Amino acid sequence: GNSVTQMEGPVTLSEEAFLTINCTYTATGYPSLFWYVQYPGEGLQLLLKATKADDKGSNKGFEATYRKETTSFHLEKGSVQVSDSAVYFCALSSGSARQLTFGSGTQLTVLP
Amino acid sequence: EAGVAQSPRYKIIEKRQSVAFWCNPISGHATLYWYQQILGQGPKLLIQFQNNGVVDDSQLPKDRFSAERLKGVDSTLKIQPAKLEDSAVYLCATTPETGNTIYFGEGSWLTVV
Repeated sequence: GNSVTQMEGPVTLSEEAFLTINCTYTATGYPSLFWYVQYPGEGLQLLLKATKADDKGSNKGFEATYRKETTSFHLEKGSVQVSDSAVYFCALSSGSARQLTFGSGTQLTVLP
Repeated sequence: EAGVAQSPRYKIIEKRQSVAFWCNPISGHATLYWYQQILGQGPKLLIQFQNNGVVDDSQLPKDRFSAERLKGVDSTLKIQPAKLEDSAVYLCATTPETGNTIYFGEGSWLTVV
C-alpha cells in the first residue's frame, strides 16, 4: 500500500536559516506529491505540489522536487521567517480514487 | 470563492455521548472526504463520497461512526457512542471533478472526556 515517511520533528531554527524537511514515499503507480501546511488552530492548506517525476513545486519561497529515483519529495526554503512556524505534512495521491495518504507531520518553530 | 465550511469548530462531550459534525463543500465539488487527525499524527481517511454515493468507507469504524451526504452537497459525520480515543480533529475536504488538489476545511475539534 501507499505510505509517506517524514523526518522526525520538532525542528527549531533561527530566522533566516535554511530549512529542509525530508519526505520519502512508497506508492503503487505514479503518485502526485503534495506538501500541506497547518498553522496553529487552522485547517490544512496546500503549500505546493508536483504531479510527475522531476517536477518542482514552489510557493511562498518553499520548493520541493519530485525525485522518482529516490522516491523523495524534500521540502526546502532558503530563509525561514517566524511566520513559517507551523506543522508541515507531506502527502501523496495515487490512483483514480484521489485519496491523500499523509506523513506524520513535522513541527517547525522559527525563533526571531 | 468560499472554502469548505465546517461546524461546530469545537466540541467537548463525555464518553458514550453522541456528536455530529457538518460540512458544506466548495460549490460544485463532487468528491467529499472526512479525515480524522489525532494529535501528533497525520490525517487519516475515514470516508470518501462521490456526489451522494460512498466510494470508500473501509476505514470508518462502522460500529460507532456514520456519515451521509444527502443530495450530494452537505455532509454530516456522526459518532455514537463516543470513546476517549475519538478525541481528534475531524477534517472535511473536497475536490472538483478534474484535477487532484484537495481543499480542506478548518476542522472540527472534538474532545471526549
